[in-house]
Amino acid sequence: AQSVTQLDSQVPVFEEAPVELRCNYSSSVSVYLFWYVQYPNQGLQLLLKYLSGSTLVKGINGFEAEFNKSQTSFHLRKPSVHISDTAEYFCAVSDRGSSYKLIFGSGTRLLVRP
Amino acid sequence: KAGVTQTPRYLIKTRGQQVTLSCSPISGHRSVSWYQQTPGQGLQFLFEYFSETQRNKGNFPGRFSGRQFSNSRSEMNVSTLELGDSALYLCASSPQRKGYEQYFGPGTRLTVT
Repeated sequence: AQSVTQLDSQVPVFEEAPVELRCNYSSSVSVYLFWYVQYPNQGLQLLLKYLSGSTLVKGINGFEAEFNKSQTSFHLRKPSVHISDTAEYFCAVSDRGSSYKLIFGSGTRLLVRP
Repeated sequence: KAGVTQTPRYLIKTRGQQVTLSCSPISGHRSVSWYQQTPGQGLQFLFEYFSETQRNKGNFPGRFSGRQFSNSRSEMNVSTLELGDSALYLCASSPQRKGYEQYFGPGTRLTVT
């Protein structure tokens, strides 16, 4: 069964510093990959997605992620974070054969300090 | 376009009761999925509906059920509530038959006492 690992439960970083949130998934079969962000007391907002094509995908709010098939990774990056980026970030994967079912990682809380 | 709406936003129930949660997808979206979010188990897939048919179900007991109406609105029902059912229940809709891009609602926070 497909699984997603987000090794870092919390990542503290200073404002304007770069950040990388790590995500690894278990299977090398064809997948779709996503990053979602959740602010307190809200639902999930799609940051970016990888469906096919270029392995570097750009999303909203200056985030980007790189799909690495050989390492089964999809790490999220931002060159300069803001206080407003403080939130919970979830990596998710779906098999192309059952793409309506998202398997989520356990989440990484990004804490941006002034 | 209006986003995914879920009602009610907050709910408090007693053990043994049943509850019905409602989800209205984005206009034109035909796929609706439900997820449960808890601190211990994280985000878990409950089930997905497309054109009033359940296409897949997650690993939850039969107390959890759902349905979709002809206008794509969906409801989920939990019978005989247990304390462990306390969670944020998220609904997501998708425009694609294969549903690879899901848009989430704000969730319904269910507390079971």
